[in-house]
Amino acid sequence: DAGVIQSPRHEVTEMGQEVTLRCKPISGHNSLFWYRQTMMRGLELLIYFNNNVPIDDSGMPEDRFSAKMPNASFSTLKIQPSEPRDSAVYFCASSPGRAGRGYEEEQYFGPGTRLTVT
Amino acid sequence: AQSVTQLGSHVSVSEGALVLLRCNYSSSVPPYLFWYVQYPNQGLQLLLKYTSAATLVKGINGFEAEFKKSETSFHLTKPSAHMSDAAEYFCAVRTSGNTPLVFGKGTRLSVIA
Repeated sequence: DAGVIQSPRHEVTEMGQEVTLRCKPISGHNSLFWYRQTMMRGLELLIYFNNNVPIDDSGMPEDRFSAKMPNASFSTLKIQPSEPRDSAVYFCASSPGRAGRGYEEEQYFGPGTRLTVT
Repeated sequence: AQSVTQLGSHVSVSEGALVLLRCNYSSSVPPYLFWYVQYPNQGLQLLLKYTSAATLVKGINGFEAEFKKSETSFHLTKPSAHMSDAAEYFCAVRTSGNTPLVFGKGTRLSVIA
């Protein structure tokens, strides 16, 4: 299996521009998570999906952030407009999401997208 | 709500010395606990997990962790540090099915030759 795939790996953009980060979860996984990692705040959960449905988006910083999962094999995280404080590494993770087994399931992380907003 | 606390944001050990990374959890129900490792410029990968089958859990790369309910701890150890162990280590907890892991702040391990 190719693992969780994220693109792009690096993104440099100017303040005010729209940024779209992409994620392809492991085939067959039903749960998908978006995290943000910074030196100051550590690893923060932004949003997660079960069976393509957003379950909890309380971690999304503000309305400039939005996430979609149109099908089981693709998700996007969009920032519009972007600001310098959005600079971070964004991780996507997936897990099998099997009914009754969710407690013990590990999350499989992608390599991350390093976003720099100037 | 469940949480984990990792004591020490940075730990430095000599090559060949014991590695001990501390994690304490807070949970009102039996937790499922995980340790992840993050190498520079990479994503997180699972080292080991506790799922109540055994209190001493062995993971990859010679790491192990012991679940101690009385101390609400799940410390990570390795008898002899290698240079390749230098990385960031995260403890995480889950107490409900199909919910995201809750991660600690991480501990950066440095190994000195």
